[in-house]
Parts: sequence; C-alpha cells; structure tokens
Amino acid sequence: GAVVSQHPSRVICKSGTSVKIECRSLDFQATTMFWYRQFPKKSLMLMATSNEGSKATYEQGVEKDKFLINHASLTLSTLTVTSAHPEDSSFYICSADAGGPNNEQFFGPGTRLTVL
Amino acid sequence: QKEVEQDPGPLSVPEGAIVSLNCTYSNSAFQYFMWYRQYSRKGPELLMYTYSSGNKEDGRFTAQVDKSSKYISLFIRDSQPSDSATYLCAMGGGGGADGLTFGKGTHLIIQP
Repeated sequence: GAVVSQHPSRVICKSGTSVKIECRSLDFQATTMFWYRQFPKKSLMLMATSNEGSKATYEQGVEKDKFLINHASLTLSTLTVTSAHPEDSSFYICSADAGGPNNEQFFGPGTRLTVL
Repeated sequence: QKEVEQDPGPLSVPEGAIVSLNCTYSNSAFQYFMWYRQYSRKGPELLMYTYSSGNKEDGRFTAQVDKSSKYISLFIRDSQPSDSATYLCAMGGGGGADGLTFGKGTHLIIQP
C-alpha cells in the first residue's frame, strides 16, 4: 500500500513555542491531505483538509490561526501548532488521499506532542 | 446523538474465536465505509473498504454493510494474538476527497 510518513514522531516543547509537524506521501502524489487529532481513548477527530496549492479547510471549532497548515507540494503538508499550550498536547495524525476511485486514505504513523 | 457509535470495549476473546466488531451511524449521507486497525501509539492501518451494502471478504476478514439499518460489521475468523489492537470504523460521504468520521474504536484482546 501507499506509504505516508510523519516527522517528528515525538516532540516535547515548552508552552508558548511553535511546533511544526511534517506529513509526506513517499510513493504517491496526494492532492489532498487530512490532519486529525486523537485524544486518549477517543476517536480521531478531523481538524482540517489540506489541498495542494490552496488554503486549508478547517473543521468547526478548529482555530486556523493556531493550527497553520501548508500544502506546498503534492507530497508534503505541514501542520504548525503556534503558541502551544498544554491543552494542545495530543496525538496528531495525517492522512493522504491516493486519488484512487475508492477515496482511500493512508495514514501516517502519528506525532505525539507534549507541551510542558 | 453522535454520528458514529462504536463500543470501546475492551473485547477479550480466546485465540481461534470469531470476532465480531460493529458500528452504527446516523448520517445517511455516508456512502463508503472503512475499517482501520491501530496498534498502540501508531497511525491507523486500512483493513477493509466497502462502498455498498453487502459483504466483502479479504482473507480472515469480512466486512458487512447494511445501509438500511445504518449498521456495519467486521468479522475476524481464526483470531490470533497479533490481531490484538484497536479497530476503528470510519465513514465518508460521496464525491471527491472527504475527511472521514471515525468511531471511538474497539480495543480487542486475543488471549493465547
């Protein structure tokens, strides 16, 4: 299957700093990527849809100025958590749409963010 | 009412048993349905994809969709300890790339 990578896999930062998470599709081009957030024992929650070359579409309740998304190429989308606070600590997962007829999404391994 | 309901478990069964995992949903606009397996601290891995009502089989896994009842199932035959994981159902609407709506996930434990 298609491979999606994320970097870093784990990050610890101080409150008030910004953190960038990268999502890459390694062996396919993804015009659309998605960013999800997962709390312990909770479902994955869609945060935003990232389209190459255009502004991201954010889900209701997600602050676009806090979670900056850039999809600069067909293989890379980045999520920047700005001015991070402890409540932003979570598991962030990206997925990429391979563009097939079945709308299948392939997920990255996730990034564990801990804000002190 | 949440869009997708899934019993979080844990569900513990002996090795070799048939496992049945289920989700119900309320949004009739969902048109495609997926099952993902997620190991601890890892991203979800796609197991099964179905687009219409009926059954789909892949090895030891069978996915069922009943759109009239808004109910989907995943069956695992000859369960093995390596099947122990969290299983997430996910659903999407029709037309173009959509973000998925997930169930909470069912934590499955296969006892050796």
